[in-house]
Amino acid sequence: DAGVIQSPRHEVTEMGQEVTLRCKPISGHNSLFWYRQTMMRGLELLIYFNNNVPIDDSGMPEDRFSAKMPNASFSTLKIQPSEPRDSAVYFCASSFEGRNSPLHFGNGTRLTVT
Amino acid sequence: GESVGLHLPTLSVQEGDNSIINCAYSNSASDYFIWYKQESGKGPQFIIDIRSNMDKRQGQRVTVLLNKTVKHLSLQIAATQPGDSAVYFCAENRNAGASKIIFGSGTRLSIRP
Repeated sequence: DAGVIQSPRHEVTEMGQEVTLRCKPISGHNSLFWYRQTMMRGLELLIYFNNNVPIDDSGMPEDRFSAKMPNASFSTLKIQPSEPRDSAVYFCASSFEGRNSPLHFGNGTRLTVT
Repeated sequence: GESVGLHLPTLSVQEGDNSIINCAYSNSASDYFIWYKQESGKGPQFIIDIRSNMDKRQGQRVTVLLNKTVKHLSLQIAATQPGDSAVYFCAENRNAGASKIIFGSGTRLSIRP
């Protein structure tokens, strides 16, 4: 079991640029979650999918953020245009069945926007 | 607003002693709770979970206690080891129809030799 795989591990970009974060969930898991972690706000749920369908995106901070899950084995989180306040660690997590099942997290993407 | 919070932001424990990390939640509708451990540079790692129809659950060296009356959750770690040093988060499932896992602010556990 390779676990949840995220790429890149680190991303440094300039303000205004587009950023795309990628996630490969654990095979067989049917729920996928995107979280953002900062010192000030802790771990915030941005959006989650069940069977590739977005269920709740109320945590997405602005229209600059978008997430897709074109198939069961891949998801992206895109920020366009990026801003310095988007700097954070972004985590992807997956679970089986989604309901009352623990999440398995990737090791995150550390994003720095200058 | 509703929140999941922790009583203590940091906890220092002597190696070999037991650790108790506390968590308060405010959503009485939450029915599933999880404890995670996060080490530096890594994602949160599942430790133990508990459903609201239980008040205690034990794992290897860890015990989770749930008091629904006062909306309180605790994680007990027996015989704390240096490898237990990390940030610990409690989390709750707030959506009865699906999975909306909300995390608390975290407690840093440090171990004194």
